[in-house]
Amino acid sequence: EAQVTQNPRYLITVTGKKLTVTCSQNMNHEYMSWYRQDPGLGLRQIYYSMNVEVTDKGDVPEGYKVSRKEKRNFPLILESPSPNQTSLYFCASSSGRLAGHNEQFFGPGTRLTVL
Amino acid sequence: KQEVTQIPAALSVPEGENLVLNCSFTDSAIYNLQWFRQDPGKGLTSLLLIQSSQREQTSGRLNASLDKSSGRSTLYIAASQPGDSATYLCAVNRDDKIIFGKGTRLHILP
Repeated sequence: EAQVTQNPRYLITVTGKKLTVTCSQNMNHEYMSWYRQDPGLGLRQIYYSMNVEVTDKGDVPEGYKVSRKEKRNFPLILESPSPNQTSLYFCASSSGRLAGHNEQFFGPGTRLTVL
Repeated sequence: KQEVTQIPAALSVPEGENLVLNCSFTDSAIYNLQWFRQDPGKGLTSLLLIQSSQREQTSGRLNASLDKSSGRSTLYIAASQPGDSATYLCAVNRDDKIIFGKGTRLHILP
């Protein structure tokens, strides 16, 4: 089944403790991206990647890192999480190098709480 | 800077009625526009994708239109059902950036 998977689905952590949220897609998509969704603010793009070893900042990249060593994986790294990063996070992928070319597929989301 | 607006923020409609959800965007230089559905606490499900060269797309009871010059898109839902209750999001795509509206929360009354 074609899908985007994220792990973990739920995470409660404390300020400053490094964490990684994994994202994997099995559709051989070039483009992958991370979003956070907050009440009243909607979905905002954090980082995106147009292909292996190519990443770029979205609208709200501060406090986050990403890497794209393999085509299928695009982990989101929070080196020193803070309470303002408490949010619902989504990973997405689409075929084609550019985001706007084709339909986006979303993962199920990761609900992160930073105490 | 591209801004995407969805009005109304919430809508309640009796079952069986046809309804229209609106999406407007400020920069008409888009590649395509995508409509999504999101159930509470869940991920996004793609409903329809309209390329900039297209005027509309249809899938079952759903029809999405795009007027790029005026910066507007509509999602038409025919014969609404309680199972259509969800939040509907539109997203405007331009090359490497995707901008979402904040969504319309739809409630279909049985």
